[in-house]
Amino acid sequence: ETGVTQTPRHLVMGMTNKKSLKCEQHLGHNAMYWYKQSAKKPLELMFVYSLEERVENNSVPSRFSPECPNSSHLFLHLHTLQPEDSALYLCASSQLADISTDTQYFGPGTRLTVL
Amino acid sequence: GDSVTQMEGPVTLSEEAFLTINCTYTATGYPSLFWYVQYPGEGLQLLLKATKADDKGSNKGFEATYRKETTSFHLEKGSVQVSDSAVYFCALWQAGTALIFGKGTTLSVSS
Repeated sequence: ETGVTQTPRHLVMGMTNKKSLKCEQHLGHNAMYWYKQSAKKPLELMFVYSLEERVENNSVPSRFSPECPNSSHLFLHLHTLQPEDSALYLCASSQLADISTDTQYFGPGTRLTVL
Repeated sequence: GDSVTQMEGPVTLSEEAFLTINCTYTATGYPSLFWYVQYPGEGLQLLLKATKADDKGSNKGFEATYRKETTSFHLEKGSVQVSDSAVYFCALWQAGTALIFGKGTTLSVSS
């Protein structure tokens, strides 16, 4: 495997379910990101991790809980979601957490549908 | 707050046509500006970037110039190909803020 991978690619869940999205990067990077891409809104940065520590949390509801156990893996734990949370969730990684100079490499995304 | 505005799509062109996708921004400081591309079924890829006024970013035949006087970062390509069909996102970032994206512009190129 190379680059940034995400699993599952598609997920359908009810509002009372608990599920997790997984992201893995094989690039030796130190920073990882979660983005939300909704159909009618701009792409939103949700979380930034640098060296496994969260450095940015852009006012994301607590029903989204990230976890970064090591620099290669990033999870997004989901619980009691709402239908408006249905979106494409993208993971990205970069060498450093400096968005101005570092290229971010994106995964293919997980298409989430909340019923 | 900071924001990015892109032209509404979809943009439909014939192969070898000239492409312009407009992007303007609002920011209080001196942001870095980016264009990302998302091909069907894939994640985003950084296409080009510019970190200061008058810088020109270029990649794969695409260009964009950071114009502070007009707060713009328009994406251009002289001759598009069918393989350029994708969604294009303009974005800005500066220290202390999140990476802010425009809504995206869908480009469809036909042969």
